[in-house]
Amino acid sequence: ETGVTQTPRHLVMGMTNKKSLKCEQHLGHNAMYWYKQSAKKPLELMFVYNFKEQTENNSVPSRFSPECPNSSHLFLHLHTLQPEDSALYLCASSQEGGPRSDTQYFGPGTRLTVL
Amino acid sequence: LAKTTQPISMDSYEGQEVNITCSHNNIATNDYITWYQQFPSQGPRFIIQGYKTKVTNEVASLFIPADRKSSTLSLPRVSLSDTAVYYCLVESGNQFYFGTGTSLTVIP
Repeated sequence: ETGVTQTPRHLVMGMTNKKSLKCEQHLGHNAMYWYKQSAKKPLELMFVYNFKEQTENNSVPSRFSPECPNSSHLFLHLHTLQPEDSALYLCASSQEGGPRSDTQYFGPGTRLTVL
Repeated sequence: LAKTTQPISMDSYEGQEVNITCSHNNIATNDYITWYQQFPSQGPRFIIQGYKTKVTNEVASLFIPADRKSSTLSLPRVSLSDTAVYYCLVESGNQFYFGTGTSLTVIP
């Protein structure tokens, strides 16, 4: 138990569906992250939020839309996904994002399958 | 880019010391190196972090040479429960460069 929870743990959706992934951290952190983990590839940083403000968007397609209503919650809204978007989506949090060492705490991930 | 490179897999017997090396040739002056452990169906878990020379905690040691172009995670006396994938991460500015991970299998 890392203090970061993600729901759902598994999700199967069609290409025309709209769904959302939820992440919640109970650590009092100010930075939250979305990563994509595909088989045999490094973790890919998607988005970074620092004090509820998005500070990084690594050229992620617009079919992925993040939302951070407060420092404890992070959402990833999904629409018109492609089969190649199937992956493990990991949420992480840290005390304060930025260009200094900052340990990230990861949630268990959501295994997404796009049919 | 502070790209990281790791061996794909390693095997070790129980009770042995395991050293996993990560190459990061383009590491910048202010970049930190962090290692994570990941079990199946779980998110990565922090193991150790360092900037230079040697860092040791209750589970591992991290060796970083003077040029910082590589780092070595050392796991003393591994057990079966250490079977996992180990990732090195270089934090460079607001970017995070994970390696592809090293799958460690501990053999009885």
